[in-house]
Amino acid sequence: DVKLLESGGGLVQPAGGFLRLSCVASGFTFNNYVMGWVRQAPGKGLDFVSSISGWADYTYYADAVKGRFTISRDNSRNTLYLQMSSLRADDTAVYYCARRGETYGLDIWGQGTVVTVSS
Amino acid sequence: VLTQSPGTLSLSPGERATLSCRASQTIANNYLAWYQQKPGQAPRLLISAVSSRATGIPDKFSGSGSGTDFTLTISRLEPEDSAVYYCQHYGGSPLYTFGQGTKLEIK
Repeated sequence: DVKLLESGGGLVQPAGGFLRLSCVASGFTFNNYVMGWVRQAPGKGLDFVSSISGWADYTYYADAVKGRFTISRDNSRNTLYLQMSSLRADDTAVYYCARRGETYGLDIWGQGTVVTVSS
Repeated sequence: VLTQSPGTLSLSPGERATLSCRASQTIANNYLAWYQQKPGQAPRLLISAVSSRATGIPDKFSGSGSGTDFTLTISRLEPEDSAVYYCQHYGGSPLYTFGQGTKLEIK
């Protein structure tokens, strides 16, 4: 079974709060795929956050998180990470990890992990 | 920017739904995808590359279009097709762009 399982969400204080999300992949050759993070604020639509190539030589960040979030991966552990710092209230969302398929759709999604930024 | 219409669509079982996704600029690479999201669940890929159904997606879901105008058609509607549907483009700026979604209600 092809699966993605996120963890690491929680409640964090704004202006200085930081959090690291993890996403463990199983059922496929992890380093063959671009991976990414997509978030969804409460009651809102989908927003792309960041992506990373199979061997981590390319990364991409949405403007809203550039300079505050860092995406990385450990192919030996089949794990994707998102290090988040300088968190703000508008970073509150469900964070999904997703696999980019061969035709550039996001073909596998995790169940999501909730990040709440609040004092 | 991807603009989806209508915002909400209410139809009856057995009918056909036509969901629209309009891009502000021509999508030249055909990297246009559609997703279904039910309440409390992660999105699920339905269609990629404009018209290719993802693994396990029934043929009642079909995608079409080119340039700036794209369509997701869902035939033989069932109550379980009730969901929010998003279109998504890869390759522009930002790299991944989602539409705002169309809520489909089957009553």
